[in-house]
Amino acid sequence: DARVTQTPRHKVTEMGQEVTMRCQPILGHNTVFWYRQTMMQGLELLAYFRNRAPLDDSGMPKDRFSAEMPDATLATLKIQPSEPRDSAVYFCASGLGEERPTFGSGTRLTVV
Amino acid sequence: RKEVEQDPGPFNVPEGATVAFNCTYSNSASQSFFWYRQDCRKEPKLLMSVYSSGNEDGRFTAQLNRASQYISLLIRDSKLSDSATYLCVVIHSGTYKYIFGTGTRLKVLA
Repeated sequence: DARVTQTPRHKVTEMGQEVTMRCQPILGHNTVFWYRQTMMQGLELLAYFRNRAPLDDSGMPKDRFSAEMPDATLATLKIQPSEPRDSAVYFCASGLGEERPTFGSGTRLTVV
Repeated sequence: RKEVEQDPGPFNVPEGATVAFNCTYSNSASQSFFWYRQDCRKEPKLLMSVYSSGNEDGRFTAQLNRASQYISLLIRDSKLSDSATYLCVVIHSGTYKYIFGTGTRLKVLA
């Protein structure tokens, strides 16, 4: 089965450090989403891309978060500097056209 | 107020019971609707789409009420393996913006 690959699976970092999360969408998929999941807020859409172009990143704190797609096989989400409130599971998902997105296994981030 | 709202539960039901969840949405421009299932510490996975006329997939039935702006999921003859969190999802017309509810937790008890 084709799958969305996210790395790292787990990340523990100190407050103030830069964190980079990576996502390899399913080959051929042209829409990529970044979500953050916490117990309190549930799944929040941070940003999404279509054909590598950012369509909406209004859910993302602009001062510290950035999302990019340097090429069709890689999406990145960076946090700089990280804060304890950023601790969450970050999911990447990809889709093609009207198909429903397929999620990766997530990156579990802990900022201490 | 969140755009997509769900009762967080948990709903604790015995095996074989029928259980129903509702999900309300506030944006009337919402056009497409889905239910996802998420197991503990796993990623969400598509359960089923929700069509205007209602649709069934085995023991699962999804309904849409546009006038009242809610969707529902009915599970018949619940199994232990149905224990999970059920997330409703809406998409706005003309966009690819998938908005998730916070989920409803179901525990099916032996």
